[in-house]
Amino acid sequence: RKEVEQDPGPFNVPEGATVAFNCTYSNSASQSFFWYRQDCRKEPKLLMSVYSSGNEDGRFTAQLNRASQYISLLIRDSKLSDSATYLCVVNPVDMDYGQNFVFGPGTRLSVLP
Amino acid sequence: GAGVSQTPSNKVTEKGKYVELRCDPISGHTALYWYRQSLGQGPEFLIYFQGTGAADDSGLPNDRFFAVRPEGSVSTLKIQRTERGDSAMYLCASSSLSGIAYNEQFFGPGTRLTVL
Repeated sequence: RKEVEQDPGPFNVPEGATVAFNCTYSNSASQSFFWYRQDCRKEPKLLMSVYSSGNEDGRFTAQLNRASQYISLLIRDSKLSDSATYLCVVNPVDMDYGQNFVFGPGTRLSVLP
Repeated sequence: GAGVSQTPSNKVTEKGKYVELRCDPISGHTALYWYRQSLGQGPEFLIYFQGTGAADDSGLPNDRFFAVRPEGSVSTLKIQRTERGDSAMYLCASSSLSGIAYNEQFFGPGTRLTVL
């Protein structure tokens, strides 16, 4: 089983739709979690960190379920500019793993006019 | 301000050759990371530096890969006896705080390595 798995996608949705991405991780010692966004042929950029209580940033909401080792990202009122690949990132941050950030394979989103 | 820069942007080499890839992190960032990304995959962790020392090199695939950061700023990823399977985008990232959760990594534009 891979350390971080994501919905395979691609997701093709119309403008204004709500879309949710799921991510699961295998290392129960994982301590910090992120969603990164990567545009085609560009470098990844941080979209948002994921906090234990869940957090929201405008149209984006991230949730963490430690018991199920599951992270989600919800995008409301999707825009054409949201089209990108969304990467789930997990970092164990413990003595054995140091700063070994593990990226999922990504889920590609295409928002259609 | 200046972001993370990487040179060259593209590198084409022949199987068996030696290559060096350079990363200039954001000034003042103590943490530096190297990743490798193949098409359709997420970045794969290679090595992490805290200052001058490699704090975690568990992602380096074999002893043909080596990285240095002698002065705690610029880093060089070195690949000996390149193989076709080494072809990928090599990404560098830096962050200002290490060992603290939720620190943001800033990525460079990457070096596209092609081994013929």
